Amino acid sequence: SQQGEEDPQALSIQEGENATMNCSYKTSINNLQWYRQNSGRGLVHLILIRSNEREKHSGRLRVTLDTSKKSSSLLITASRAADTASYFCATDKVSGTASKLTFGTGTRLQVTL
Amino acid sequence: GAGVSQSPSNKVTEKGKDVELRCDPISGHTALYWYRQSLGQGLEFLIYFQGNSAPDKSGLPSDRFSAERTGGSVSTLTIQRTQQEDSAVYLCASSSNRDGETQYFGPGTRLLVL
Repeated sequence: SQQGEEDPQALSIQEGENATMNCSYKTSINNLQWYRQNSGRGLVHLILIRSNEREKHSGRLRVTLDTSKKSSSLLITASRAADTASYFCATDKVSGTASKLTFGTGTRLQVTL
Repeated sequence: GAGVSQSPSNKVTEKGKDVELRCDPISGHTALYWYRQSLGQGLEFLIYFQGNSAPDKSGLPSDRFSAERTGGSVSTLTIQRTQQEDSAVYLCASSSNRDGETQYFGPGTRLLVL
């Protein structure tokens, strides 16, 4: 079953604008991760934020985590057409080792020129 | 180095037939995962293998689904007596001991059951 829900389901913006996607989850977690998927194929890991962190940056990506609200947001600044993809959050209950991820339903981002 | 590879890329089969999907993880990765993604949906966990430990099969939807991992490397996901609702993209991922939290995904196998 899906732990996470993401909103919006779809987002269309123009190149240069910022894109914000939100993810909510239901149970306690060790970390939350964001993945990107192009054309319904393999996923690419973007960023991981741990339960004791509130904000993390990587290039044009900014992730926040609010464990009290069980929610996270992914901000992509200065978007580019190449950012067009589906974005998924995934939660992990276990620290430091392999475990199954529970994915959200995803946000489809369309960046137009 | 090479990433996770999966074969076939696409598979069309008739209802009731058995199918085998293959995953080659990144060399040296000790953990291997299978997920399923139905049309327009998020990913659903199926099974994962970690080293020599017993696999976590808690996500397999029915006893028609099984998976094995030979020699701690290649894995095969088998679906017996396929049904139309099995149509989906089946994604494999692997992770290393050093960074077990980051999973590296293959391109997936798109299965269509007619």
